[in-house]
Amino acid sequence: QKEVEQDPGPLSVPEGAIVSLNCTYSNSAFQYFMWYRQYSRKGPELLMYTYSSGNKEDGRFTAQVDKSSKYISLFIRDSQPSDSATYLCAMGDGGATNKLIFGTGTLLAVQP
Amino acid sequence: DGGITQSPKYLFRKEGQNVTLSCEQNLNHDAMYWYRQDPGQGLRLIYYSQIVNDFQKGDIAEGYSVSREKKESFPLTVTSAQKNPTAFYLCASSIEGFYEQYFGPGTRLTVT
Repeated sequence: QKEVEQDPGPLSVPEGAIVSLNCTYSNSAFQYFMWYRQYSRKGPELLMYTYSSGNKEDGRFTAQVDKSSKYISLFIRDSQPSDSATYLCAMGDGGATNKLIFGTGTLLAVQP
Repeated sequence: DGGITQSPKYLFRKEGQNVTLSCEQNLNHDAMYWYRQDPGQGLRLIYYSQIVNDFQKGDIAEGYSVSREKKESFPLTVTSAQKNPTAFYLCASSIEGFYEQYFGPGTRLTVT
């Protein structure tokens, strides 16, 4: 079993829809949770960063962490065609090396 | 503009040749990382460095080498010992002690 599991998609939604992207994990030591957006043939861009449990909102994006269920989500409201990209979750365990473990990414397509 | 640069964007080599990928950052970050991205496999850590003149192997270091002689630079050499070198290579950096990693644009290496 991988430490971080992410549905690869592709996920196709109409413009304006609410998108829910999810990751599950097995390591209960994970405390730092990140979401990256990666456009085709580009480097990942940090979207959201959450420490421990709870919600964090930034514009149309909301990140949720449920440590009891080992489950994290990224919600995108009023999705736009420009949101079409691969979304990667990443997690860190608070150790000395600050290494991140990445999910495989979910490909999202927002249809105009 | 602060950021991470990787060059070249595309690189083609013949099997049996060593090749060096460049990564430079002007963010004044102490920590730097090299990842490999293959379709369906997410990002896998090759090497990382938390301080100048020191670096550690990641999960898939075999067939790769790095150096960290300057804070700004973390070049990756893909040697002929790497069995399957064709991939998208990503360099990242972070403030030491922090999990937020910032990525360069990537280098796509094709070995034939």
